[in-house]
Amino acid sequence: KQEVTQIPAALSVPEGENLVLNCSFTDSAIYNLQWFRQDPGKGLTSLLLIQSSQREQTSGRLNASLDKSSGRSTLYIAASQPGDSATYLCAVNTGGFKTIFGAGTRLFVKA
Amino acid sequence: EAGVVQSPRYKIIEKKQPVAFWCNPISGHNTLYWYLQNLGQGPELLIRYENEEAVDDSQLPKDRFSAERLKGVDSTLKIQPAELGDSAVYLCASSLEAGSGGTDTQYFGPGTRLTVL
Repeated sequence: KQEVTQIPAALSVPEGENLVLNCSFTDSAIYNLQWFRQDPGKGLTSLLLIQSSQREQTSGRLNASLDKSSGRSTLYIAASQPGDSATYLCAVNTGGFKTIFGAGTRLFVKA
Repeated sequence: EAGVVQSPRYKIIEKKQPVAFWCNPISGHNTLYWYLQNLGQGPELLIRYENEEAVDDSQLPKDRFSAERLKGVDSTLKIQPAELGDSAVYLCASSLEAGSGGTDTQYFGPGTRLTVL
């Protein structure tokens, strides 16, 4: 059974700091991995999608990497801003319409 | 292009009362999902529709939960009667799934936050 774990559960950093969020999964047989952002009281916004054949994806100040063999992904946020404060969720698609989510990392960026 | 629309955004009811949530997916998306998200947790799938057919409802508590997707477009999720433990956010998502084997990106609505008193 696929399990997705995110560490840390919560993180508080000063503005401008570079940071890394971690995601691990137990079964390397995945089709893709996606990072989402969730603001309080709102739905999920897709940030980056990495196909199983890819190693990383970049969008602006965000970079996500995937090491399928070790069951790990990281989301790197450069030069963090207060507007980055949100919960970041990692989700793995195991095919067959199955998407397993982690519990998320709650990020707070202090001005 | 409009995103996934959900209503209401918030709902407060007393236990044992019925409640219904509505979702309108992105136009042209064949697959519709209902997820349950408890506080501090990731979403968990309740039911998935392919057009108007419920093809995965294994996680749906069928004694009190029901769902429908008439005409294969918008969908309604109902709880009757609601219990205290049903307090959570109910998320709807949709994906195109044009023969991709269930690997297309899912697009999420804003969710309905249910509070059962």
